[in-house]
Amino acid sequence: DVKVTQSSRYLVKRTGEKVFLECVQDMDHENMFWYRQDPGLGLRLIYFSYDVKMKEKGDIPEGYSVSREKKERFSLILESASTNQTSMYLCASSFGQGGSYEQYFGPGTRLTVT
Amino acid sequence: GENVEQHPSTLSVQEGDSAVIKCTYSDSASNYFPWYKQELGKGPQLIIDIRSNVGEKKDQRIAVTLNKTAKHFSLHITETQPEDSAVYFCAAGMEYGNKLVFGAGTILRVKS
Repeated sequence: DVKVTQSSRYLVKRTGEKVFLECVQDMDHENMFWYRQDPGLGLRLIYFSYDVKMKEKGDIPEGYSVSREKKERFSLILESASTNQTSMYLCASSFGQGGSYEQYFGPGTRLTVT
Repeated sequence: GENVEQHPSTLSVQEGDSAVIKCTYSDSASNYFPWYKQELGKGPQLIIDIRSNVGEKKDQRIAVTLNKTAKHFSLHITETQPEDSAVYFCAAGMEYGNKLVFGAGTILRVKS
Protein backbone atom coordinates (compact mmCIF):
# COMPACT_ATOMS: atom_id res chain seq x y z
CA ASP A 1 0.00 0.00 0.00
CA VAL A 2 1.13 3.53 -0.75
CA LYS A 3 1.91 5.40 2.38
CA VAL A 4 2.21 9.15 2.77
CA THR A 5 3.20 10.26 6.24
CA GLN A 6 3.26 13.75 7.71
CA SER A 7 5.50 14.68 10.60
CA SER A 8 2.81 15.96 12.95
CA ARG A 9 -0.97 15.59 13.29
CA TYR A 10 -1.31 18.75 15.39
CA LEU A 11 1.00 21.73 15.68
CA VAL A 12 0.68 24.99 17.61
CA LYS A 13 3.03 27.82 16.73
CA ARG A 14 3.32 31.50 17.58
CA THR A 15 3.04 34.38 15.12
CA GLY A 16 6.39 35.07 13.48
CA GLU A 17 7.84 31.61 14.05
CA LYS A 18 9.41 29.64 11.22
CA VAL A 19 7.44 26.44 10.70
CA PHE A 20 8.47 23.26 8.90
CA LEU A 21 5.93 20.66 7.79
CA GLU A 22 7.46 17.43 6.57
CA CYS A 23 6.00 14.84 4.24
CA VAL A 24 7.44 11.45 3.24
CA GLN A 25 6.12 8.98 0.66
CA ASP A 26 7.31 5.41 0.25
CA MET A 27 6.23 4.60 -3.35
CA ASP A 28 8.95 6.31 -5.38
CA HIS A 29 6.42 8.81 -6.73
CA GLU A 30 7.75 11.62 -8.87
CA ASN A 31 5.06 14.17 -8.00
CA MET A 32 4.42 15.62 -4.57
CA PHE A 33 1.92 18.28 -3.52
CA TRP A 34 1.05 20.54 -0.61
CA TYR A 35 -2.55 21.67 -0.13
CA ARG A 36 -4.35 23.60 2.55
CA GLN A 37 -7.90 22.67 3.45
CA ASP A 38 -10.33 25.24 4.85
CA PRO A 39 -14.08 24.83 5.43
CA GLY A 40 -16.09 25.99 2.42
CA LEU A 41 -12.95 26.39 0.29
CA GLY A 42 -12.02 22.79 -0.37
CA LEU A 43 -8.41 21.88 -1.10
CA ARG A 44 -6.23 24.62 -2.50
CA LEU A 45 -2.83 23.86 -4.01
CA ILE A 46 0.09 25.70 -2.43
CA TYR A 47 3.07 24.18 -4.26
CA PHE A 48 3.90 21.01 -6.11
CA SER A 49 7.09 19.29 -7.19
CA TYR A 50 7.54 16.97 -10.17
CA ASP A 51 11.15 16.02 -9.46
CA VAL A 52 13.91 16.50 -6.93
CA LYS A 53 14.81 20.18 -6.56
CA MET A 54 11.99 21.10 -8.96
CA LYS A 55 8.95 23.05 -7.77
CA GLU A 56 6.05 25.00 -9.17
CA LYS A 57 3.71 27.46 -7.53
CA GLY A 58 0.16 26.43 -7.04
CA ASP A 59 -2.82 28.70 -6.57
CA ILE A 60 -1.93 30.16 -3.16
CA PRO A 61 1.90 30.20 -2.75
CA GLU A 62 2.16 33.52 -0.92
CA GLY A 63 3.75 33.17 2.51
CA TYR A 64 5.02 29.64 1.81
CA SER A 65 8.10 28.00 0.35
CA VAL A 66 9.01 24.36 -0.27
CA SER A 67 12.03 22.14 -0.41
CA ARG A 68 12.57 18.78 -2.12
CA GLU A 69 16.13 17.55 -1.66
CA LYS A 70 15.25 13.85 -1.85
CA LYS A 71 12.63 12.14 -3.99
CA GLU A 72 10.66 10.77 -1.05
CA ARG A 73 10.54 13.96 1.04
CA PHE A 74 8.74 17.26 0.44
CA SER A 75 8.82 20.04 3.02
CA LEU A 76 6.52 23.02 3.38
CA ILE A 77 8.03 26.07 5.08
CA LEU A 78 6.20 28.99 6.62
CA GLU A 79 8.96 31.60 6.88
CA SER A 80 7.05 33.76 9.38
CA ALA A 81 3.82 32.19 10.51
CA SER A 82 0.71 34.35 10.65
CA THR A 83 -2.71 33.70 12.14
CA ASN A 84 -4.28 33.49 8.68
CA GLN A 85 -2.14 30.41 8.04
CA THR A 86 -4.07 28.49 10.69
CA SER A 87 -5.42 25.58 8.66
CA MET A 88 -5.29 21.88 7.84
CA TYR A 89 -2.30 21.07 5.61
CA LEU A 90 -2.40 18.00 3.39
CA CYS A 91 0.49 16.43 1.53
CA ALA A 92 -0.07 14.16 -1.48
CA SER A 93 1.99 12.23 -4.01
CA SER A 94 1.39 10.64 -7.41
CA PHE A 95 3.24 8.81 -10.15
CA GLY A 96 4.76 10.92 -12.89
CA GLN A 97 3.68 11.10 -16.50
CA GLY A 98 2.73 7.76 -17.96
CA GLY A 99 1.50 6.42 -14.66
CA SER A 100 -1.66 6.72 -12.64
CA TYR A 101 -2.87 10.23 -11.92
CA GLU A 102 -4.29 9.23 -8.57
CA GLN A 103 -3.06 11.41 -5.74
CA TYR A 104 -2.39 9.67 -2.44
CA PHE A 105 -2.89 11.88 0.60
CA GLY A 106 -1.37 11.90 4.03
CA PRO A 107 -3.58 12.28 7.15
CA GLY A 108 -2.96 16.01 7.40
CA THR A 109 -1.37 18.40 9.89
CA ARG A 110 -3.69 20.76 11.73
CA LEU A 111 -1.65 23.92 12.32
CA THR A 112 -2.77 26.59 14.73
CA VAL A 113 -0.90 29.91 14.77
CA THR A 114 -1.57 32.02 17.85
CA GLY B 1 -7.42 29.25 -14.70
CA GLU B 2 -9.76 26.41 -13.86
CA ASN B 3 -12.62 26.97 -11.42
CA VAL B 4 -14.70 24.12 -9.98
CA GLU B 5 -18.02 24.67 -8.23
CA GLN B 6 -19.61 21.90 -6.18
CA HIS B 7 -23.18 21.55 -4.88
CA PRO B 8 -24.70 20.95 -2.43
CA SER B 9 -22.39 21.81 0.45
CA THR B 10 -24.25 19.43 2.76
CA LEU B 11 -26.54 16.52 1.95
CA SER B 12 -28.54 14.33 4.32
CA VAL B 13 -30.18 11.15 3.07
CA GLN B 14 -31.87 8.19 4.62
CA GLU B 15 -30.03 4.89 4.52
CA GLY B 16 -30.90 3.10 1.30
CA ASP B 17 -31.70 6.27 -0.63
CA SER B 18 -29.57 7.68 -3.46
CA ALA B 19 -27.27 10.69 -3.19
CA VAL B 20 -26.20 12.97 -6.03
CA ILE B 21 -23.43 15.57 -5.93
CA LYS B 22 -22.90 17.94 -8.84
CA CYS B 23 -19.87 19.88 -10.06
CA THR B 24 -19.26 22.36 -12.84
CA TYR B 25 -15.91 23.38 -14.28
CA SER B 26 -14.84 26.36 -16.36
CA ASP B 27 -11.82 25.28 -18.45
CA SER B 28 -12.85 23.33 -21.55
CA ALA B 29 -9.28 21.96 -21.76
CA SER B 30 -9.79 19.90 -18.58
CA ASN B 31 -10.19 16.23 -19.41
CA TYR B 32 -9.72 14.35 -16.14
CA PHE B 33 -12.34 14.40 -13.35
CA PRO B 34 -11.68 12.44 -10.15
CA TRP B 35 -13.81 12.17 -7.02
CA TYR B 36 -12.25 11.86 -3.58
CA LYS B 37 -13.80 10.76 -0.29
CA GLN B 38 -12.48 12.07 3.02
CA GLU B 39 -13.41 10.27 6.21
CA LEU B 40 -13.02 11.90 9.61
CA GLY B 41 -9.38 12.27 10.61
CA LYS B 42 -8.04 10.96 7.31
CA GLY B 43 -6.75 12.37 4.04
CA PRO B 44 -8.91 12.24 0.90
CA GLN B 45 -8.94 8.99 -1.04
CA LEU B 46 -9.79 8.49 -4.71
CA ILE B 47 -13.07 6.60 -5.18
CA ILE B 48 -13.70 6.97 -8.91
CA ASP B 49 -12.53 9.04 -11.86
CA ILE B 50 -13.63 9.71 -15.41
CA ARG B 51 -11.89 10.96 -18.52
CA SER B 52 -13.48 13.19 -21.12
CA ASN B 53 -13.70 10.48 -23.75
CA VAL B 54 -16.23 8.65 -21.57
CA GLY B 55 -19.73 9.83 -20.63
CA GLU B 56 -20.38 7.53 -17.70
CA LYS B 57 -18.47 5.15 -15.44
CA LYS B 58 -19.78 2.83 -12.77
CA ASP B 59 -18.19 0.94 -9.90
CA GLN B 60 -20.66 -1.05 -7.80
CA ARG B 61 -22.86 1.52 -6.00
CA ILE B 62 -20.94 4.52 -7.31
CA ALA B 63 -21.30 6.10 -10.74
CA VAL B 64 -20.02 9.28 -12.32
CA THR B 65 -21.47 11.05 -15.36
CA LEU B 66 -19.83 13.73 -17.48
CA ASN B 67 -21.41 16.28 -19.81
CA LYS B 68 -18.55 17.98 -21.68
CA THR B 69 -20.82 20.35 -23.56
CA ALA B 70 -22.35 21.72 -20.38
CA LYS B 71 -19.07 21.35 -18.46
CA HIS B 72 -20.58 19.49 -15.56
CA PHE B 73 -20.09 16.12 -13.93
CA SER B 74 -21.91 14.32 -11.15
CA LEU B 75 -21.37 11.60 -8.55
CA HIS B 76 -24.21 9.18 -7.90
CA ILE B 77 -24.26 6.88 -4.89
CA THR B 78 -27.06 4.33 -4.77
CA GLU B 79 -28.31 2.33 -1.77
CA THR B 80 -26.44 4.58 0.63
CA GLN B 81 -25.04 3.09 3.83
CA PRO B 82 -23.87 4.76 7.06
CA GLU B 83 -20.24 4.19 6.04
CA ASP B 84 -20.81 6.44 3.02
CA SER B 85 -20.98 9.38 5.45
CA ALA B 86 -17.95 11.52 4.66
CA VAL B 87 -16.83 14.64 2.80
CA TYR B 88 -16.73 14.24 -0.97
CA PHE B 89 -14.60 16.39 -3.28
CA CYS B 90 -14.77 16.66 -7.04
CA ALA B 91 -11.77 17.88 -9.02
CA ALA B 92 -10.80 18.79 -12.57
CA GLY B 93 -7.47 18.76 -14.37
CA MET B 94 -5.50 17.75 -17.40
CA GLU B 95 -4.89 14.05 -17.90
CA TYR B 96 -1.23 14.60 -18.78
CA GLY B 97 -0.72 17.38 -16.28
CA ASN B 98 -0.07 17.32 -12.58
CA LYS B 99 -2.45 19.85 -11.16
CA LEU B 100 -5.98 19.33 -9.96
CA VAL B 101 -8.45 22.03 -8.95
CA PHE B 102 -10.83 20.83 -6.25
CA GLY B 103 -14.39 21.79 -5.46
CA ALA B 104 -15.35 23.08 -2.01
CA GLY B 105 -16.61 19.68 -0.85
CA THR B 106 -19.94 18.12 0.12
CA ILE B 107 -20.64 16.75 3.60
CA LEU B 108 -22.78 13.65 3.11
CA ARG B 109 -24.69 12.29 6.11
CA VAL B 110 -26.48 8.97 5.80
CA LYS B 111 -29.08 8.55 8.53
CA SER B 112 -29.90 5.04 9.70
